Amino acid sequence: QVHLVQSGDEVKRPGASVKVSCKASGFTLSNYAIHWVRQAPGQRLEWMGWINADNGGTTYSQNFQGRITLTRDASANTAYMELNNLRSEDTAIFYCARSNPAGLTFIDYWGQGALVTVSS
Amino acid sequence: EIVLTQSPATLSVSPGERVTLSCRASQSLSSSYLAWYQQKPGQSPRLLIYSTSSRATGIPDRFSGGGSGTDFTLTISRLDPEDFAVYFCQQYYSFPRLTFGGGTKVEIK
Repeated sequence: QVHLVQSGDEVKRPGASVKVSCKASGFTLSNYAIHWVRQAPGQRLEWMGWINADNGGTTYSQNFQGRITLTRDASANTAYMELNNLRSEDTAIFYCARSNPAGLTFIDYWGQGALVTVSS
Repeated sequence: EIVLTQSPATLSVSPGERVTLSCRASQSLSSSYLAWYQQKPGQSPRLLIYSTSSRATGIPDRFSGGGSGTDFTLTISRLDPEDFAVYFCQQYYSFPRLTFGGGTKVEIK
């Protein structure tokens, strides 16, 4: 059974960084791609970027370029999202989600989400 | 960026009714590159429909998708109490740069 299990909720100060993990079970991470999506209160889902877990290739949304780093550890079957220079607008649930890495494919499974609260 | 506009924002309906949700794209997505998801409070999204009209594994046949070009629909033929949720569309024509609609909330009348 496919599962993406994310790390727990976090509270951060403005300007700090957060690193969220996403552990895959029921499948081999390196056979897929992992997307990261932000869901801020009252806002639509926002795509942040993706990582091809096979070759480590990444593409980032321009809205997060320069602040986001996506990585993966194939041996741990885990993907990571690090977001720097946090601001209050980053208070949101962050989801990891899986798709086929081959391109022009949809997300089929989502993690449970990690709430990041940015507050002074 | 491809913008997806969903309408209506909220639908108030009774169990057993038929509903149709709309998703309009700012540019053509061909006939294939649209998915629909269901999200309940406190839960992560669940895939319902991909490639415009293909049901995901385990999705009941009361859910159906259609459309092409810039106009797409999700129809629920007979609303079950468990179907009250938020539904949103997502395009992957510009993969990997995905975009999502703003969502339609289906609530109990």
